[in-house]
Amino acid sequence: GEDVEQSLFLSVREGDSSVINCTYTDSSSTYLYWYKQEPGAGLQLLTYIFSNMDMKQDQRLTVLLNKKDKHLSLRIADTQTGDSAIYFCAEKGPGRRALTFGSGTRLQVQP
Amino acid sequence: DAGVIQSPRHEVTEMGQEVTLRCKPISGHNSLFWYRQTMMRGLELLIYFNNNVPIDDSGMPEDRFSAKMPNASFSTLKIQPSEPRDSAVYFCASSLQDKGREQYFGPGTRLTVT
Repeated sequence: GEDVEQSLFLSVREGDSSVINCTYTDSSSTYLYWYKQEPGAGLQLLTYIFSNMDMKQDQRLTVLLNKKDKHLSLRIADTQTGDSAIYFCAEKGPGRRALTFGSGTRLQVQP
Repeated sequence: DAGVIQSPRHEVTEMGQEVTLRCKPISGHNSLFWYRQTMMRGLELLIYFNNNVPIDDSGMPEDRFSAKMPNASFSTLKIQPSEPRDSAVYFCASSLQDKGREQYFGPGTRLTVT
């Protein structure tokens, strides 16, 4: 079945770049996502990438996809304290409507 | 748009009681999903509906759980009887069938069963 793995924790200093990594097992995944969850809140869709792309940039966010290695990353430039949250990687395969989520990476931004 | 609306935001109940969680999807969305989030298991899909019809309920833990979608703007997830191990945050999400790549989540219902 599908599986998505993430590291549990990342700490960076304010102003630095953050890179959150994710690996997945389903080579037929068509879309890969990054969601952000702040304490006590729901999941906010940050960005997603189609599997035939290898990069997508949206303001401070850059998503890189290495389809061969089944590796996805999210880079946040100029990380701010407001970026502190849990970031979830998720994937969706062809014909599937539901997403498979990783366990989330807690990003802590030190002032 | 108001986004996906869930109620209640918090529910505390005693073991054995019936619990009903409610969801209003984004207007015009025709796919609806129920997820459960726990520390141990992360985010798990429970069930999803397409055009009000349950498509995949393989994630529903057991017969104590049931979900309905009587119309395009309302869904319920019921647990009867509830148990302490059902304590979790339950999320509802919705998407447009033809743009199903974007799935939007509600704020969640935090359920505590004592």
